This record gives sequence, C-alpha cells and structure tokens, in this order.
Amino acid sequence: GENVEQHPSTLSVQEGDSAVIKCTYSDSASNYFPWYKQELGKRPQLIIDIRSNVGEKKDQRIAVTLNKTAKHFSLHITETQPEDSAVYFCAASAGGSYIPTFGRGTSLIVHP
Amino acid sequence: DVKVTQSSRYLVKRTGEKVFLECVQDMDHENMFWYRQDPGLGLRLIYFSYDVKMKEKGDIPEGYSVSREKKERFSLILESASTNQTSMYLCASRTVTDTQYFGPGTRLTVL
Repeated sequence: GENVEQHPSTLSVQEGDSAVIKCTYSDSASNYFPWYKQELGKRPQLIIDIRSNVGEKKDQRIAVTLNKTAKHFSLHITETQPEDSAVYFCAASAGGSYIPTFGRGTSLIVHP
Repeated sequence: DVKVTQSSRYLVKRTGEKVFLECVQDMDHENMFWYRQDPGLGLRLIYFSYDVKMKEKGDIPEGYSVSREKKERFSLILESASTNQTSMYLCASRTVTDTQYFGPGTRLTVL
C-alpha cells in the first residue's frame, strides 16, 4: 500500500519568513496530492491540491510543487502570518475510489 | 456549501459500553470515512464506505464496526469501549473530484 512520510513534524518561523513542508510517497500510481490545514480545535480543511499532470500550483501565498520522478511534493508558504499557525497534513491517493493516505502532520508555529 | 456534521463534539463513556458515533453529510457524496486522530500519529483510517451498505477496513479497524444504511449517514460503533479508544474521531465525505470534507470531530473519553 501507499506510504506517506511528512517532514518536519514541527516548524517554527518568524512572521514574514517562508515555510516549506515536504512529503514523500511510495506508490507511483498516486496521482492526487492534497494539503489540509487544521487550526487548533477545528476540522481539517483543504487549502490546495495538485494532480500528477502538473508540476506546480499556486494560490496567493501558498504553492505546491510535485516531483513525480522523485516521488515527493512540497507545500510552500510565503510571507507567513500568525494565522498560518496550524497543523498541516499532506496526503496521496490514486484518485477515484482509492483511499487517500495521510502524512503524520506538521505543526507550523508563526511567531509575531 | 458542503456540510458534514457529527452527533457529538464531546463524549464520555465507561469501559465496556457500546458507543455510537454518527456522521451526516448533505452533499450526496458516495464516499465516507472515519478517522482517528492522535497527537503525533496523524489521521489514521478506521473504515471507509464507498456506497450504501458497502464498507472497507482501514488501517486500524480492530474494536470498531460501521454502518451505512443511507447515503448521507455513516455510523462508527465501538462494540465494547476501552480506554485505548480515547481519541478524537473525525468523519469525512469525498466529492467526485477527490476533495475530502471533514466533520468537526468527536472527542471521546473512555473512563
């Protein structure tokens, strides 16, 4: 089955800095890679996703890159703000009815 | 706007009790999931249902069962609750474009 590794488990940055969270996956059939943000006491919510037919996707301060050859994908947050503080989860799946596999999460702390 | 609701936000039960956690989604999604969330372990899949009356075991199904009699409702059952089942339980449903929508979670404490 699929195995998703996520690093780092904790990331502490100063406001305005960039943050990068990395995930690797094992199943070459995986073609859908979402990122979820979970604020304290709240439910995980999708913030960005990418499919295997593209290498990069951006949405304002957030971007995701995918390297299919190396089987890794990364979340980039620029100009971090305190409200970016949360736990971020990556996931990988082959889409359709396939079950997504989640990474263990990264706790991002943005210091004002 | 997709809505996924769970029957309780907080629940306290005693060891050996039968516990029912319910999840309802209002978007006619075929796929629904139950996860358990523990610090440092991420989201671990307990059961997955890809349609009414259809279910598939996830990574940690032991001690749990599920029921999906109607498309909008997916129930998680702890047949005999134990203290190691104290956790946050998250339900999710999935669109045809693969996006998962999560419920608010149920924090279960088993004493």
